[in-house]
Amino acid sequence: EILLTQSPATLSVSPGERATLSCRASQTIYSNLVWYQQTPGQAPRLLISGASTRATGVPARFTGSGSGTEFTLTISSLQSEDFAVYYCQQYTSWPLTFGGGTRVEIK
Amino acid sequence: EVQLLESGGGLAQPGGSLRLSCVASGFTFNNHVMTWVRQAPGKGLEWVSTIDHRGGYTYYADSVKGRFTISRDDSKDTLYLQMNSLRGEDTARYYCAKKWAPNVSGQNYFDSWGQGTLVTVSS
Repeated sequence: EILLTQSPATLSVSPGERATLSCRASQTIYSNLVWYQQTPGQAPRLLISGASTRATGVPARFTGSGSGTEFTLTISSLQSEDFAVYYCQQYTSWPLTFGGGTRVEIK
Repeated sequence: EVQLLESGGGLAQPGGSLRLSCVASGFTFNNHVMTWVRQAPGKGLEWVSTIDHRGGYTYYADSVKGRFTISRDDSKDTLYLQMNSLRGEDTARYYCAKKWAPNVSGQNYFDSWGQGTLVTVSS
């Protein structure tokens, strides 16, 4: 099973600032990684696929990067609606696995 | 517009059973791989099970293998999850989710999710 470790668990950021979230895989997953955003009481929303491709309708302030075992989600200038929990998920092999999440909160 | 509507959650006793349903609309259901993902209260996401678009292949997390069965009825655009021998650790909100594209091998990630149905296992 491929383990995904997200860091930090919580990130405190002021609106307008940059946020950098990390996801590390226990073995190579090539670029087979997606990022989801989950706001309170809502279902997850697909943000990024293939490590770096924004999903339809996702603002350009969201950028995904990385390959192999190290991945990053950067939010360039945080808006109020971006305060949420972010999860990475690998789809290289079964079982599909998620990271534990990073909560982005208002500083 | 894609819609996924889960139902069937509720309170079950340890060792009991529940059957979850997910009715789909807004896309060609029988072309798509479908999945169940759960989220325990205050916790992260956990993949549970996936079924391919023909229903011929199914995949399960080790935590539910042998207890849960995923199935689909394409004539009703409905996905199911039969949950038997329920345990306290199965308490979670269960989401159904649609694979991002039809007829694509691998690339099992999800572009549409329902709002989930809450399952509570307690005596």
